[in-house]
Amino acid sequence: EIVMTQSPATVSVSPGEGATLSCRASQSVSSNLAWYQQKPGQAPRLLIYGTSTRATGIPARFSGSGSGTEFTLTISSLQSEDFAVYYCQQYNRRPQTFGQGTKVEIK
Amino acid sequence: HLVESGGGLVQPGGSLRLSCAAYEFDVSLYWMSWVRQVPGKGPEWVANIKEDGSQIHYADSVKGRFTISRDNAKSSLYLQMNSLRVEDTAVYYCARDGAWFDPWGQGTLVTVSS
Repeated sequence: EIVMTQSPATVSVSPGEGATLSCRASQSVSSNLAWYQQKPGQAPRLLIYGTSTRATGIPARFSGSGSGTEFTLTISSLQSEDFAVYYCQQYNRRPQTFGQGTKVEIK
Repeated sequence: HLVESGGGLVQPGGSLRLSCAAYEFDVSLYWMSWVRQVPGKGPEWVANIKEDGSQIHYADSVKGRFTISRDNAKSSLYLQMNSLRVEDTAVYYCARDGAWFDPWGQGTLVTVSS
């Protein structure tokens, strides 16, 4: 199965600053990459699919890029509600697999 | 939205049946999946089922022990879990499977412990 590796494990950011999260696949997943946000006690919420397409209702400060094995989620000007754990997920090949997550915490 | 139920505490080797009810959401049109998550870890896909139930796939970790099924007339998805192991302890979510997962239910906790 394809292993997804996210970095860093934790990033500390001040409100209003930006954050860049990385996700690496053990083999090419083309552009078949999604990102999720998860807050404590809640289910993951889809942010982005197809590497860069925002899901319904997701603000424009969330953007995704990359292809093949290297992907990035960028959050510009973090708001208080953005502090959470973020997961990437590949769906290029079964089984669909997730990364271990990056926690975005308040600095 | 999606609402899971049926979780709880079970001894190793025991069984549980999870249910997922869909509201204002026509599950008959979509592949559906069960995804589980150990607290503090990334999610793990468990099983999925095609709209009409004609295709089913399982993660290797649950193959032969778990059975996914659906009843479109009841807008429901199920996961029968047998021969449960300590390592099956997790929050179990049902989710629409469009290759990516959206939406998700709120999850139901399964704890396997003696």
